[in-house]
Amino acid sequence: DTGVSQNPRHKITKRGQNVTFRCDPISEHNRLYWYRQTLGQGPEFLTYFQNEAQLEKSRLLSDRFSAERPKGSFSTLEIQRTEQGDSAMYLCASSLDPQSSYEQYFGPGTRLTVT
Amino acid sequence: AQSVTQLGSHVSVSEGALVLLRCNYSSSVPPYLFWYVQYPNQGLQLLLKYTTGATLVKGINGFEAEFKKSETSFHLTKPSAHMSDAAEYFCAVRKGSGGSYIPTFGRGTSLIVHP
Repeated sequence: DTGVSQNPRHKITKRGQNVTFRCDPISEHNRLYWYRQTLGQGPEFLTYFQNEAQLEKSRLLSDRFSAERPKGSFSTLEIQRTEQGDSAMYLCASSLDPQSSYEQYFGPGTRLTVT
Repeated sequence: AQSVTQLGSHVSVSEGALVLLRCNYSSSVPPYLFWYVQYPNQGLQLLLKYTTGATLVKGINGFEAEFKKSETSFHLTKPSAHMSDAAEYFCAVRKGSGGSYIPTFGRGTSLIVHP
């Protein structure tokens, strides 16, 4: 078990460019979550998948954001036409069936800087 | 709806002193409660969790927390601080049953440990 991994760890992009992040969850975990964390704040929920189905999206997830989990394994989060306000740490987490006490395991995050 | 309030964005202690990080929650249903720790440029790591049963919960690295329903609190303590405890700590709450099981995080408390 290698834990949750995220790539890249850091991304610097110019305003208006598109970026894509990848998350590889713990292999047997069926749930995958994306969060955004800005300086001095806790993680804010963006969206989650159960297997390949995207079951919930936060109102924070504007139309410029899209997430996929095509085969129920890894997931990608794409931000189109980036804005300076998108600068944040993007965290991925995975878990087993949440109807029990199973907690989420977090990846190291991708830090996005939009210049 | 559920929410978390962490009192004090920064807590400063001397090495060897008691650590007390405060967390109050609101939840319309019996909650599951979590404390996570985040070191610089890393993801969140679970310290401990309360689901059901014993209200005093022991976690990793000598931390413990007590669920007090009457006070809607879940404060984190450690008898003797170590320099390596310096980090950001997040309290989180989620529904124990029903709903999407998405946790709500507090804004975090930065623990500073002085030699």
